[in-house]
Amino acid sequence: AQSVAQPEDQVNVAEGNPLTVKCTYSVSGNPYLFWYVQYPNRGLQFLLKYITGDNLVKGSYGFEAEFNKSQTSFHLKKPSALVSDSALYFCAVREGTTDSWGKLQFGAGTQVVVTP
Amino acid sequence: DSGVTQTPKHLITATGQRVTLRCSPRSGDLSVYWYQQSLDQGLQFLIQYYNGEERAKGNILERFSAQQFPDLHSELNLSSLELGDSALYFCASSVGPRDEQYFGPGTRLTVT
Repeated sequence: AQSVAQPEDQVNVAEGNPLTVKCTYSVSGNPYLFWYVQYPNRGLQFLLKYITGDNLVKGSYGFEAEFNKSQTSFHLKKPSALVSDSALYFCAVREGTTDSWGKLQFGAGTQVVVTP
Repeated sequence: DSGVTQTPKHLITATGQRVTLRCSPRSGDLSVYWYQQSLDQGLQFLIQYYNGEERAKGNILERFSAQQFPDLHSELNLSSLELGDSALYFCASSVGPRDEQYFGPGTRLTVT
């Protein structure tokens, strides 16, 4: 079975400061990892993914994430946060096997609040 | 705009009724997924179709069913509705099962 944990319900950061949103996962095989963002009354938007290769993944809107296999983590980062980054962020994982197809397991979400 | 469309945007209905939610995937995407988002359960995977065939099932109730048609659009049918079925229902699509999923704007279902 696969699972995802986002240990922080909310992250508060001042504009211009670095932003980190934490995610840890558990899968029985190789993980496919994703980050999505949801703005109020909107659907989820894809930010980035890790399938294989370089542990540092760059995505949309200046976000990046670092895959750490030994710590089973996939933290989302942005060097300098903007007020417009305030939103709900979801980490998701699926097993990298054909049997699991596209079934994604989402974390509970982390609300990011960026203050001016 | 993700390219995934969902209708209707809002739906208000009474307990015991049946509704159908519709989803059109992005052009070229063969996989369609349905999710339910509620405050108490979070984002829950319901079911996935790939090129017309059911491929994965999640926490989908027996009162719910779905299908994907030859033109690749999908419908989610919810019957014998209960108050607890009130939620946001999202459809997502991807090229294949290994690819990122693109989400539609959702259908907000309110059961009264």
